[in-house]
Amino acid sequence: SQQGEEDPQALSIQEGENATMNCSYKTSINNLQWYRQNSGRGLVHLILIRSNEREKHSGRLRVTLDTSKKSSSLLITASRAADTASYFCATEETSGSRLTFGEGTQLTVNP
Amino acid sequence: GAVVSQHPSRVICKSGTSVKIECRSLDFQATTMFWYRQFPKKSLMLMATSNEGSKATYEQGVEKDKFLINHASLTLSTLTVTSAHPEDSSFYICSARGPQGPQETQYFGPGTRLLVL
Repeated sequence: SQQGEEDPQALSIQEGENATMNCSYKTSINNLQWYRQNSGRGLVHLILIRSNEREKHSGRLRVTLDTSKKSSSLLITASRAADTASYFCATEETSGSRLTFGEGTQLTVNP
Repeated sequence: GAVVSQHPSRVICKSGTSVKIECRSLDFQATTMFWYRQFPKKSLMLMATSNEGSKATYEQGVEKDKFLINHASLTLSTLTVTSAHPEDSSFYICSARGPQGPQETQYFGPGTRLLVL
């Protein structure tokens, strides 16, 4: 089964608008993490939220976690063209330390 | 934050040759490193978990004789793609987590793009 499914697959917005991406998972987790990847590049860790946390902020990023629904959302406020990238959620399961990545959301912020 | 490097960043090779990719943790010791593979416009798929001084743990469906992993020191893990074929062309990314880094964050390398002709 697919862990870390994300929606939407692609999102196109105008600069200044907010972008919301969602992630769902199936198993019990220790934490959920969000990463960013520019085309053809490595991953940049954005934020980690633990299973006992419900919301976390970092600059223009806001992450929520609902363990009862096994879902998380990433909100980027006041988006900029430089935010254009692919965003992945990744879950660390309670059964081990490996990360399982979602399919990702391709965000395009138009200037 | 912690830095992980990969070398080479890009490699083109002929079918049948072997290619070695290095993953280094530059400013911390990594007891555990991970190797991922990513196809275009797709997500990362974990290939194997590499532990310093012991054999790597491969994910289901990953051929251990095809993808040789060696974690010889606390700062270096290598992935060797043996007898590479065009279907091995992909983006390979490593990550590292160690005792001196945050317990729950993996730091990712910049990736190696492999093209097998």
